[in-house]
Amino acid sequence: GAVVSQHPSWVICKSGTSVKIECRSLDFQATTMFWYRQFPKQSLMLMATSNEGSKATYEQGVEKDKFLINHASLTLSTLTVTSAHPEDSSFYICSAGGLAGLTDTQYFGPGTRLTVL
Amino acid sequence: LAKTTQPISMDSYEGQEVNITCSHNNIATNDYITWYQQFPSQGPRFIIQGYKTKVTNEVASLFIPADRKSSTLSLPRVSLSDTAVYYCLVVVGVGDKIIFGKGTRLHILP
Repeated sequence: GAVVSQHPSWVICKSGTSVKIECRSLDFQATTMFWYRQFPKQSLMLMATSNEGSKATYEQGVEKDKFLINHASLTLSTLTVTSAHPEDSSFYICSAGGLAGLTDTQYFGPGTRLTVL
Repeated sequence: LAKTTQPISMDSYEGQEVNITCSHNNIATNDYITWYQQFPSQGPRFIIQGYKTKVTNEVASLFIPADRKSSTLSLPRVSLSDTAVYYCLVVVGVGDKIIFGKGTRLHILP
């Protein structure tokens, strides 16, 4: 159990375009999802916390108008990188928590590699 | 959020037991200690979680002393495929945001 998927697994886009990344919890309902980005050889950096049905909470320094997050259902959250630029190229990872009845932890998706040309 | 400190890197050999210690001096009463493993270009994978004493599952053991200010992840008889980055984290629950430290880069040698 506790499977989280991401789509696409990789994407290449031109500078100035927008890219949408989906994060799904496949076998459980996730009231909270998190979005991270990771640069090569570095640790994961939390971008935002996404709660179903409400606005996302962004970490300091993350532009909410550039990284749009929607958490419309208990199994789906999306991250849209608007007007992408080469410096947005990174590995984006989502995580989800909420296994019923357990004091459990978060489970991570496989990540999405974004390359902006 | 409790800050964690762990070694930047470690080397070991196949078949050996590897112990990675993490310090979390300001851990709170409600915090759980969780370890993740990450391979290159993959999302972190949950390894083990504990609150106190010892927890064991099919892949690892977690030792937590009474004061809970540190914890040790023990990997028995490692193989080359255990080469990865290991993150020690303290979390309250599934709704709590996780702040990653630098992790420990473990390199297993043949």
